[in-house]
Amino acid sequence: DTAVSQTPKYLVTQMGNDKSIKCEQNLGHDTMYWYKQDSKKFLKIMFSYNNKELIINETVPNRFSPKSPDKAHLNLHINSLELGDSAVYFCASSQDTLAGVTGELFFGEGSRLTVL
Amino acid sequence: AQSVSQHNHHVILSEAASLELGCNYSYGGTVNLFWYVQYPGQHLQLLLKYFSGDPLVKGIKGFEAEFIKSKFSFNLRKPSVQWSDTAEYFCAVNPGYSSASKIIFGSGTRLSIRP
Repeated sequence: DTAVSQTPKYLVTQMGNDKSIKCEQNLGHDTMYWYKQDSKKFLKIMFSYNNKELIINETVPNRFSPKSPDKAHLNLHINSLELGDSAVYFCASSQDTLAGVTGELFFGEGSRLTVL
Repeated sequence: AQSVSQHNHHVILSEAASLELGCNYSYGGTVNLFWYVQYPGQHLQLLLKYFSGDPLVKGIKGFEAEFIKSKFSFNLRKPSVQWSDTAEYFCAVNPGYSSASKIIFGSGTRLSIRP
């Protein structure tokens, strides 16, 4: 059983389109995250939800909108896609908001988004 | 700005060779330190972590890392690598025991092991 699963794994789309990436975790964790990995492989946090409540919202264009229907799911919707949105997006989860203390982030396999 | 540097972008070794991957960070206060690994086709997973105490930390699969505060370093080591260690390795720092939003990742080091 995959602990943190993301779909789709690959996504190729045109500029201006709207797309979503879904994430589900079956670990019973309270907190979920979206990270973006750019072309230089730096991983940067975008959003974090704890029990469906947004707790971290880094400087991200408002074209990006996360949605958490329940604590096991955190989806990422992107409007009006731009070339610069091309990246690998990783979903992750942790037991609580103190992931920095426990250090245990559980990652999905990533979703590679290519905007043409 | 706080940052994490992994100077080796791609390391190629033969099996049984010793490994050391460098990681340096720029933050003067208390830190939590991590190494994550991503095997081909798999997700990122925690390899080892340092919070306090013994600066030499043991992780899974024979890996260890040493925290040297004076050098702001947390290098990853393994005495004898195996082909199965082929993966991408990410160093990460959480400055000041803060929340997950402050975890800073390095750009990763790709390790290729020749059989």
